[in-house]
Order: sequence, then C-alpha cells, then structure tokens
Amino acid sequence: QVQLVESGGGVVQPGRSLRLSCAASGFTFSSYAMHWVRQTPGEGLEWVAVISYDGTNKYYADSVKGRFTISRDNSKNTLFLQMNSLRAEDTAVYYCARDIVPVAIRPAAFDIWGQGTMVTVSS
Amino acid sequence: QSVLTQPPSVSGAPGQRVTISCTGSSSNIGAGYDVHWYQQLPGTAPKVLIYGNINRPSGVPDRFSGSKSGTSASLAITGLQAEDEADYYCQSYDSSLSGWVFGGGTKVTVL
Repeated sequence: QVQLVESGGGVVQPGRSLRLSCAASGFTFSSYAMHWVRQTPGEGLEWVAVISYDGTNKYYADSVKGRFTISRDNSKNTLFLQMNSLRAEDTAVYYCARDIVPVAIRPAAFDIWGQGTMVTVSS
Repeated sequence: QSVLTQPPSVSGAPGQRVTISCTGSSSNIGAGYDVHWYQQLPGTAPKVLIYGNINRPSGVPDRFSGSKSGTSASLAITGLQAEDEADYYCQSYDSSLSGWVFGGGTKVTVL
C-alpha cells in the first residue's frame, strides 16, 4: 500500500526550531521528487519546498527560503523538513506529497499525500 | 491572496452540473503550465482529481472533468452527489515565483 506518514509536529515558541519527518512505503521512494505543502487552519494550500529524487536539487517558497531546509534519506525512505526561526505565520498542517511523475522535478501534480502533521508556533 | 483565483463557493442540487473556475496569468496557466485539481474532504488530506488539465486518475468518477483555455481552467462536476461536498483546489506552476501555486479553494455545497 502506497503511503506517506508525517510526524514531528507540535507546539513551539517563535524563533525556535522543529524537524518534520515523512516516512514513505509501498513505492520506490528514491525514484520520486518529494514536496512539502502546508495549510493554515481554515485556509488554503501553500507549496513549501521540493527535493529531487536524489536530493541534489532543492527549491523553496520565498516565505520559507533561508529558514527551512528540505532533505531526504533514500536508504530509510524518509523525507525531512528542518524548520528554523519559526514564526506565528508558519502555524499550519504540514503535508508531504509525492510528484506524480518519477525521476525529474517537473511542474506536475502531487498524487500521494500524507495525513499531515500540525505545527503551532505560539508563545 | 492566492496566485490562482477561484470562487469561494458554488452550490447545486443533486444531479445538477456545477463548474469551478481557476483564473491565473501569463506566468502560470497562460504560460502553458498544466492545471491540476484536488478534492479535500473535511479533516482529510487533498486528493488529486484531475492532472494535466484533463486527466483523471484511476478511481475518479467520470462525473469530474477538467478543461483549460488561455489563462484559465475549469473543473466541472456533472450529476452532483451529496458525497461531492468538499473543498476543491486548482494548482499550477508559476515561472515568476519559480514554484507551485494553488488557488484559494472553492467550497462545493450540495443543496
């Protein structure tokens, strides 16, 4: 069964750090680019970051550039999001999602999504 | 303010046809980038409904269809059913932002 399971969310004070994980199963993780997408409570979706299948290419939304780092461990089928200097506006449900097309990073759809993990930034 | 513009809500009676528009610009939809549509049921993660403008993943009913023209795209739902009550989002890629962009979402209500 193709599945993505996020973990690592929680409540954190502004300026602190948090690391999210996304465990993949049921498919060849190392063949797909992977994304993080977030959704603020009651609001819409915002793309956060993408990493290529082999980890060599990474791209970020302007809102998180310089603060967040996406990475992956293909030997453990796991995707990560290191979030530093967190702000109140980073409060959201964070989803990991798989590119619908394997190998290359392309402007394609996301076909598999995790259940999400909630991050709350508050003092 | 989302890069792609969707109506906040649409509604229809069971069996009716509803459409959801998604308006972009020359740096995203108008630049030729594909549009994708997602359905999000309450409390769940988004699910891809249409990819590459018109394609349905296996398991998605043919009541759902997508189209694209110029700087806009549309999602049509024919034979509206109670289970279609959900939020729907369009998505594309924006070359000016160098990233993926979403619409603000449209809540579909079945009367």
